[in-house]
Amino acid sequence: AQTVTQSQPEMSVQEAETVTLSCTYDTSESNYYLFWYKQPPSRQMILVIRQEAYKQQNATENRFSVNFQKAAKSFSLKISDSQLGDTAMYFCAFSSLRSNYQLIWGAGTKLIIKP
Amino acid sequence: DGGITQSPKYLFRKEGQNVTLSCEQNLNHDAMYWYRQDPGQGLRLIYYSQIVNDFQKGDIAEGYSVSREKKESFPLTVTSAQKNPTAFYLCASSIGGRLPEKLFFGSGTQLSVL
Repeated sequence: AQTVTQSQPEMSVQEAETVTLSCTYDTSESNYYLFWYKQPPSRQMILVIRQEAYKQQNATENRFSVNFQKAAKSFSLKISDSQLGDTAMYFCAFSSLRSNYQLIWGAGTKLIIKP
Repeated sequence: DGGITQSPKYLFRKEGQNVTLSCEQNLNHDAMYWYRQDPGQGLRLIYYSQIVNDFQKGDIAEGYSVSREKKESFPLTVTSAQKNPTAFYLCASSIGGRLPEKLFFGSGTQLSVL
């Protein structure tokens, strides 16, 4: 079965620091898609970043970037210059043909940015 | 502004009662989804619809029903057969098509049992 594991239930860092959230997944497929979603206290889920497995280049979106290690099946999210508004739950998700392209979600990491 | 509207924000269900959660989108998206979120767990897919008048079961469809009579609406009914309905329910939509595109989410409905 395809699974997504987020090993850090909760993390906290000081404002302006850099933080990395980990995500690993299990699949036998060679092509798939990976996502990071953010759920702030308002509970409305927002897409942070999307990565296609066949693309070598790591995706970036402003202060957010990923470290995609295909062989290790790892997809970590790096947040640079963290801000108070980054406080949220962060979910990693996986999608492939085997899942009919529906998302398989990790359990989430609660990130707290301290002033 | 375009987006997804879920209502109500909070809902209480009595024993043996069916309740319906509303989800409306004005993004002109073809695909719509219902997810269940429990504490400490990832989202789980209940039902999804790729096109009007068609929908498919997700991983945890038992005890739930949906309809897709209009492109913009995808209501979810939690039936009395769902024995553990207390959870946060999220509706989402996407442009649609074969490949996974960005999901747009509503603000959710918290369902509790009285």
